[in-house]
This record gives sequence, C-alpha cells and structure tokens, in this order.
Amino acid sequence: NAGVTQTPKFRILKIGQSMTLQCTQDMNHNYMYWYRQDPGMGLKLIYYSVGAGITDKGEVPNGYNVSRSTTEDFPLRLELAAPSQTSVYFCASILPGEAFFGQGTRLTVV
Amino acid sequence: GIQVEQSPPDLILQEGANSTLRCNFSDSVNNLQWFHQNPWGQLINLFYIPSGTKQNGRLSATTVATERYSLLYISSSQTTDSGVYFCAVAYPEGGSEKLVFGKGTKLTVNP
Repeated sequence: NAGVTQTPKFRILKIGQSMTLQCTQDMNHNYMYWYRQDPGMGLKLIYYSVGAGITDKGEVPNGYNVSRSTTEDFPLRLELAAPSQTSVYFCASILPGEAFFGQGTRLTVV
Repeated sequence: GIQVEQSPPDLILQEGANSTLRCNFSDSVNNLQWFHQNPWGQLINLFYIPSGTKQNGRLSATTVATERYSLLYISSSQTTDSGVYFCAVAYPEGGSEKLVFGKGTKLTVNP
C-alpha cells in the first residue's frame, strides 16, 4: 500500500513551458485534491475531484488544468508556466478522518 | 468561501512548556482536521475532529462547532513538535466537498 505518490519531486521550468504533475493513489479514495504552498504560507486549493470524471475549481485554479479519468490518477497540468507558479505542490487523497498527502513537488519557474 | 483563521501565527516555546493553538472558521463545516507539517515539509494527520474532544498522547483537540472554533493543545512540548500546525475545514459546495486550510501556526520548541 503505497498511499499517495507524486512525481516528480523537483522540477525547473522555463517561462512558457508546460508540464504535468502526476498523482496516483492506491486506496480507492474518491476525493482527491491539489494544493500549492508558497514559502511561509498555508496550502491553497487549486482543484479537487470527488470521483472519476468529476473535477471542480478550488481557490486558485487559474493557469492549471486537471483531469480524473480513473479513481487512481489525478494529474495537474501547467500549460504556460509563469514565475508566479513557483511553489511546492501537494496532492492529497482524503476520506473523513483520514488524509494522505504526497511528498510534494518543488517547482521553480525561471 | 469560508474563512479559516489560525492564531497565533508564530509561537516560540522552551521544551516542556504547554501551548494552545486556535482555529476560527466563518461558517458551518462538515468536518475539521488538524495537521502537522514537519521541518522537512511532510504533512501528517493529527486529528479529525468535527466536534467534541480527542486526545492522542501529549496532544489533544477540542472543536466547538456551534461557536465555530477549534483548539489544539500541546503539553510538555518537545523539540520534535516544531513545525507548522494547520487547521483545515471541509464544507459542502456544489454537491461536493472542499477542504480549505488556514495559514498555520509556526511552532518552534527550543531545547
């Protein structure tokens, strides 16, 4: 039981490049979330999903896209990277009473 | 959307001291959770506590849902308690459930 797996752990992007942050969970949870954490700040909700085929915007969705074709996978896509997207990104799989976070992806846009 | 406010933003303690962290929220919630982010960035579940009181070792938490606040108590603090403590609330929106975090309380426990 691996829990929540995020890849990559680190990435440097140039302005305007695109990339996909991968998130996979093996617990068959319906609820999955993507957050970003800026230095010294709390976690801000980007997108979330309550099940395969269903996604919703969070607090800061601009510049990101998600998809949820399976229960296990919830990738986050950056289409045109901007310096403001430099942050640490966390994926989470959550049930009431349980929350499992990935190790985080530290993204720098230069 | 719902507002989640945590206080104090920073707290410095000597090892062995006790502390109380507070989380206020602006509307009714489905549940509330406390997390600890250690100095390496890892997020760890502490409590799932939509109401009432729970205890786990030196930590305990109380949520008074009717008054929209929760408290996290740390007794006999240790240096390993250092890190950031987050409160997160889940509330219904559009048929699903958002989980929103406060800005956290940064705790430093000195030896």
